[in-house]
Amino acid sequence: SAVISQKPSRDICQRGTSLTIQCQVDSQVTMMFWYRQQPGQSLTLIATANQGSEATYESGFVIDKFPISRPNLTFSTLTVSNMSPEDSSIYLCSGAGTKNTGELFFGEGSRLTVL
Amino acid sequence: QKEVEQNSGPLSVPEGAIASLNCTYSDRVSQSFFWYRQYSGKSPELIMSIYSNGDKEDGRFTAQLNKASQYVSLLIRDSQPSDSATYLCAVNTGGFKTIFGAGTRLFVKA
Repeated sequence: SAVISQKPSRDICQRGTSLTIQCQVDSQVTMMFWYRQQPGQSLTLIATANQGSEATYESGFVIDKFPISRPNLTFSTLTVSNMSPEDSSIYLCSGAGTKNTGELFFGEGSRLTVL
Repeated sequence: QKEVEQNSGPLSVPEGAIASLNCTYSDRVSQSFFWYRQYSGKSPELIMSIYSNGDKEDGRFTAQLNKASQYVSLLIRDSQPSDSATYLCAVNTGGFKTIFGAGTRLFVKA
Protein backbone atom coordinates (compact mmCIF):
# COMPACT_ATOMS: atom_id res chain seq x y z
CA SER A 1 0.00 0.00 0.00
CA ALA A 2 0.99 3.62 -0.42
CA VAL A 3 2.99 5.44 2.23
CA ILE A 4 1.78 8.91 3.15
CA SER A 5 3.62 11.10 5.64
CA GLN A 6 2.14 14.20 7.23
CA LYS A 7 3.52 16.87 9.49
CA PRO A 8 3.00 18.30 11.97
CA SER A 9 1.19 15.47 13.70
CA ARG A 10 -0.35 17.94 16.13
CA ASP A 11 -0.18 21.58 17.02
CA ILE A 12 -1.80 24.12 19.29
CA CYS A 13 -2.43 27.43 17.58
CA GLN A 14 -3.64 30.85 18.52
CA ARG A 15 -6.76 32.38 17.07
CA GLY A 16 -6.07 34.43 13.96
CA THR A 17 -2.89 32.65 12.97
CA SER A 18 -2.31 30.31 10.04
CA LEU A 19 -0.72 26.88 9.89
CA THR A 20 0.58 24.88 6.96
CA ILE A 21 0.38 21.10 6.93
CA GLN A 22 2.72 19.16 4.68
CA CYS A 23 2.01 15.85 3.01
CA GLN A 24 4.52 13.62 1.28
CA VAL A 25 3.40 10.53 -0.65
CA ASP A 26 5.31 7.77 -2.36
CA SER A 27 5.06 6.97 -6.05
CA GLN A 28 2.07 4.66 -5.56
CA VAL A 29 -0.35 7.58 -5.36
CA THR A 30 -1.97 9.46 -8.24
CA MET A 31 -4.69 11.70 -6.86
CA MET A 32 -4.27 13.59 -3.58
CA PHE A 33 -7.02 14.85 -1.32
CA TRP A 34 -7.42 16.75 1.91
CA TYR A 35 -10.08 15.72 4.42
CA ARG A 36 -11.20 17.16 7.72
CA GLN A 37 -12.45 15.10 10.63
CA GLN A 38 -13.98 17.11 13.43
CA PRO A 39 -14.24 15.56 16.90
CA GLY A 40 -16.61 12.62 16.87
CA GLN A 41 -17.47 13.16 13.23
CA SER A 42 -16.75 11.41 9.98
CA LEU A 43 -14.49 12.60 7.20
CA THR A 44 -15.41 15.59 5.06
CA LEU A 45 -13.60 16.23 1.80
CA ILE A 46 -12.09 19.69 1.67
CA ALA A 47 -10.53 19.60 -1.77
CA THR A 48 -8.69 17.66 -4.42
CA ALA A 49 -5.09 18.78 -4.76
CA ASN A 50 -4.23 19.18 -8.44
CA GLN A 51 -0.65 19.11 -9.58
CA GLY A 52 0.49 22.49 -10.84
CA SER A 53 -2.93 24.11 -10.77
CA GLU A 54 -5.57 25.35 -8.35
CA ALA A 55 -7.19 22.79 -6.10
CA THR A 56 -10.79 21.74 -6.63
CA TYR A 57 -12.77 22.70 -3.53
CA GLU A 58 -15.92 21.10 -2.19
CA SER A 59 -18.99 23.05 -1.22
CA GLY A 60 -18.39 25.00 1.96
CA PHE A 61 -14.63 25.25 1.55
CA VAL A 62 -12.85 28.16 -0.13
CA ILE A 63 -9.34 28.83 -1.30
CA ASP A 64 -8.89 31.90 0.89
CA LYS A 65 -9.46 29.84 4.01
CA PHE A 66 -7.77 26.62 2.91
CA PRO A 67 -5.12 27.37 0.29
CA ILE A 68 -3.65 24.18 -1.14
CA SER A 69 -0.56 23.62 -3.20
CA ARG A 70 0.69 20.59 -5.08
CA PRO A 71 3.90 21.54 -6.86
CA ASN A 72 4.66 17.97 -7.91
CA LEU A 73 3.16 14.48 -7.91
CA THR A 74 4.30 13.52 -4.45
CA PHE A 75 3.95 16.64 -2.29
CA SER A 76 1.08 18.83 -1.18
CA THR A 77 0.40 21.42 1.49
CA LEU A 78 -2.79 22.60 3.14
CA THR A 79 -2.86 25.91 4.96
CA VAL A 80 -5.56 26.68 7.49
CA SER A 81 -5.78 30.46 7.47
CA ASN A 82 -6.95 32.93 10.09
CA MET A 83 -7.83 30.10 12.43
CA SER A 84 -10.69 30.13 14.90
CA PRO A 85 -11.61 27.51 17.52
CA GLU A 86 -14.09 26.05 15.01
CA ASP A 87 -11.10 24.96 12.91
CA SER A 88 -9.96 22.62 15.67
CA SER A 89 -9.97 19.31 13.91
CA ILE A 90 -7.92 16.51 12.45
CA TYR A 91 -6.76 17.23 8.92
CA LEU A 92 -5.98 14.19 6.82
CA CYS A 93 -4.00 13.95 3.62
CA SER A 94 -5.16 11.14 1.37
CA GLY A 95 -4.05 9.54 -1.83
CA ALA A 96 -5.65 7.33 -4.43
CA GLY A 97 -3.56 4.44 -5.69
CA THR A 98 -2.39 3.79 -9.20
CA LYS A 99 -4.91 1.00 -9.74
CA ASN A 100 -7.65 3.65 -10.12
CA THR A 101 -10.05 1.62 -8.00
CA GLY A 102 -11.07 4.49 -5.76
CA GLU A 103 -9.24 3.04 -2.78
CA LEU A 104 -7.77 5.70 -0.54
CA PHE A 105 -4.72 5.70 1.66
CA PHE A 106 -4.38 8.14 4.52
CA GLY A 107 -1.60 9.94 6.28
CA GLU A 108 -1.38 9.86 10.04
CA GLY A 109 -3.36 13.09 10.31
CA SER A 110 -2.61 16.48 11.82
CA ARG A 111 -4.53 17.30 14.98
CA LEU A 112 -4.98 21.06 15.31
CA THR A 113 -6.26 22.77 18.42
CA VAL A 114 -7.07 26.46 18.12
CA LEU A 115 -7.27 28.46 21.34
CA GLN B 1 -27.20 15.84 -1.74
CA LYS B 2 -25.34 12.57 -1.89
CA GLU B 3 -25.34 10.79 1.45
CA VAL B 4 -24.00 7.69 3.14
CA GLU B 5 -25.91 6.58 6.21
CA GLN B 6 -24.71 4.34 9.01
CA ASN B 7 -25.96 3.49 12.47
CA SER B 8 -23.55 5.25 14.82
CA GLY B 9 -23.79 2.49 17.42
CA PRO B 10 -22.13 1.55 19.59
CA LEU B 11 -22.55 -2.04 18.47
CA SER B 12 -21.45 -4.41 21.19
CA VAL B 13 -20.78 -8.10 20.48
CA PRO B 14 -19.12 -10.84 22.53
CA GLU B 15 -15.79 -12.23 21.46
CA GLY B 16 -16.22 -14.95 18.84
CA ALA B 17 -19.58 -13.66 17.59
CA ILE B 18 -20.42 -12.22 14.20
CA ALA B 19 -20.54 -8.43 13.99
CA SER B 20 -22.84 -7.04 11.30
CA LEU B 21 -22.39 -3.46 10.13
CA ASN B 22 -24.78 -1.81 7.71
CA CYS B 23 -24.72 1.16 5.36
CA THR B 24 -27.07 2.75 2.85
CA TYR B 25 -26.25 5.30 0.18
CA SER B 26 -28.32 7.74 -1.80
CA ASP B 27 -26.53 8.12 -5.14
CA ARG B 28 -27.84 5.33 -7.34
CA VAL B 29 -24.99 5.67 -9.86
CA SER B 30 -22.28 4.94 -7.28
CA GLN B 31 -19.93 2.22 -8.46
CA SER B 32 -17.33 1.61 -5.77
CA PHE B 33 -17.86 0.83 -2.13
CA PHE B 34 -15.41 0.58 0.73
CA TRP B 35 -15.10 -0.19 4.40
CA TYR B 36 -12.44 1.56 6.45
CA ARG B 37 -11.47 0.79 10.01
CA GLN B 38 -10.41 3.63 12.29
CA TYR B 39 -8.91 3.00 15.68
CA SER B 40 -9.22 5.79 18.21
CA GLY B 41 -6.63 8.47 17.51
CA LYS B 42 -5.54 6.86 14.26
CA SER B 43 -6.27 7.49 10.60
CA PRO B 44 -8.66 5.32 8.57
CA GLU B 45 -7.36 2.09 7.10
CA LEU B 46 -8.95 0.38 4.11
CA ILE B 47 -10.10 -3.14 4.95
CA MET B 48 -12.55 -4.07 2.19
CA SER B 49 -13.62 -2.86 -1.23
CA ILE B 50 -16.51 -4.16 -3.32
CA TYR B 51 -17.61 -3.20 -6.80
CA SER B 52 -20.32 -5.67 -7.88
CA ASN B 53 -23.45 -7.13 -6.35
CA GLY B 54 -22.99 -10.08 -4.05
CA ASP B 55 -20.51 -11.09 -1.41
CA LYS B 56 -16.76 -10.62 -1.21
CA GLU B 57 -14.81 -12.49 1.44
CA ASP B 58 -11.36 -11.72 2.81
CA GLY B 59 -10.36 -13.70 5.86
CA ARG B 60 -12.81 -12.98 8.65
CA PHE B 61 -14.38 -10.11 6.73
CA THR B 62 -17.24 -10.35 4.23
CA ALA B 63 -18.57 -7.35 2.36
CA GLN B 64 -22.03 -7.54 0.82
CA LEU B 65 -23.43 -5.22 -1.83
CA ASN B 66 -26.97 -4.85 -3.10
CA LYS B 67 -27.14 -2.01 -5.62
CA ALA B 68 -30.90 -2.36 -6.15
CA SER B 69 -31.46 -1.68 -2.45
CA GLN B 70 -28.49 0.75 -2.27
CA TYR B 71 -27.18 -1.22 0.66
CA VAL B 72 -23.70 -2.29 1.73
CA SER B 73 -22.79 -4.39 4.74
CA LEU B 74 -19.72 -5.74 6.48
CA LEU B 75 -19.70 -8.97 8.44
CA ILE B 76 -16.87 -9.74 10.84
CA ARG B 77 -16.74 -13.38 11.85
CA ASP B 78 -15.11 -14.62 15.04
CA SER B 79 -14.92 -11.07 16.35
CA GLN B 80 -11.89 -10.25 18.45
CA PRO B 81 -11.31 -7.46 20.98
CA SER B 82 -8.76 -6.06 18.52
CA ASP B 83 -11.64 -5.48 16.09
CA SER B 84 -13.01 -2.80 18.42
CA ALA B 85 -12.89 0.37 16.33
CA THR B 86 -15.05 2.69 14.28
CA TYR B 87 -15.98 1.30 10.87
CA LEU B 88 -16.54 3.82 8.11
CA CYS B 89 -18.59 3.01 5.05
CA ALA B 90 -17.43 4.95 1.99
CA VAL B 91 -18.89 5.35 -1.47
CA ASN B 92 -17.10 6.59 -4.55
CA THR B 93 -19.43 8.67 -6.63
CA GLY B 94 -17.13 9.07 -9.61
CA GLY B 95 -13.99 11.01 -10.36
CA PHE B 96 -12.29 9.68 -7.23
CA LYS B 97 -14.66 11.67 -5.02
CA THR B 98 -15.41 9.54 -1.97
CA ILE B 99 -18.14 10.24 0.56
CA PHE B 100 -17.89 8.75 4.02
CA GLY B 101 -20.60 7.73 6.43
CA ALA B 102 -20.49 8.85 10.04
CA GLY B 103 -19.14 5.47 11.12
CA THR B 104 -20.32 2.71 13.44
CA ARG B 105 -18.46 2.14 16.68
CA LEU B 106 -17.91 -1.54 17.39
CA PHE B 107 -17.02 -2.95 20.79
CA VAL B 108 -16.01 -6.60 21.06
CA LYS B 109 -16.24 -7.80 24.65
CA ALA B 110 -13.68 -10.36 25.82
